[in-house]
Amino acid sequence: SQKIEQNSEALNIQEGKTATLTCNYTNYSPAYLQWYRQDPGRGPVFLLLIRENEKEKRKERLKVTFDTTLKQSLFHITASQPADSATYLCALDIGGYQKVTFGTGTKLQVIP
Amino acid sequence: NAGVMQNPRHLVRRRGQEARLRCSPMKGHSHVYWYRQLPEEGLKFMVYLQKENIIDESGMPKERFSAEFPKEGPSILRIQQVVRGDSAAYFCASNPPGTGSYNEQFFGPGTRLTVL
Repeated sequence: SQKIEQNSEALNIQEGKTATLTCNYTNYSPAYLQWYRQDPGRGPVFLLLIRENEKEKRKERLKVTFDTTLKQSLFHITASQPADSATYLCALDIGGYQKVTFGTGTKLQVIP
Repeated sequence: NAGVMQNPRHLVRRRGQEARLRCSPMKGHSHVYWYRQLPEEGLKFMVYLQKENIIDESGMPKERFSAEFPKEGPSILRIQQVVRGDSAAYFCASNPPGTGSYNEQFFGPGTRLTVL
């Protein structure tokens, strides 16, 4: 079955630097991959979706890459701010069916 | 346009009682998904419903759990005879007709269930 691996250790980064989060998956490549942000005590909020035929996607300070050879997606936040501190989840389809599976998330802490 | 609403936000039950969790999707959304999140774990898919239909319940335990999304009213996730292991945050998400979970899902704030 498809497994998703996100770094379970928290990522601490200095304000203004670029934060890079990793999402690795096993088995077959998904048709698409999504990134969500989750704050404590709240539901996830959708950020970006990237399809298998797209190498890169950008939205303001966010950038997502998708490497089907490495079976990996990277999520970048440039010029990070303390307000970016949250847990970031990646999600991907698990076989083309209308169902996604989520990773456990990586907690990002941006230090002023 | 109000977002996805869930109630109650917090629910405390004793072992053996029933828990009913409600989810009102965003206006115009006809797809509802339920997820469970345990501490330090990822969101686990439970069930996908459209109005009056269960499309996929492969993530839902076979016993004690049921879900519905009636023609009128909110979607209900029902847990009978709760056990301590049911303690978790339950999230509901929705999206519009013509989309699936591969499109953006709009999540509610969740219901935190505590079983004593």
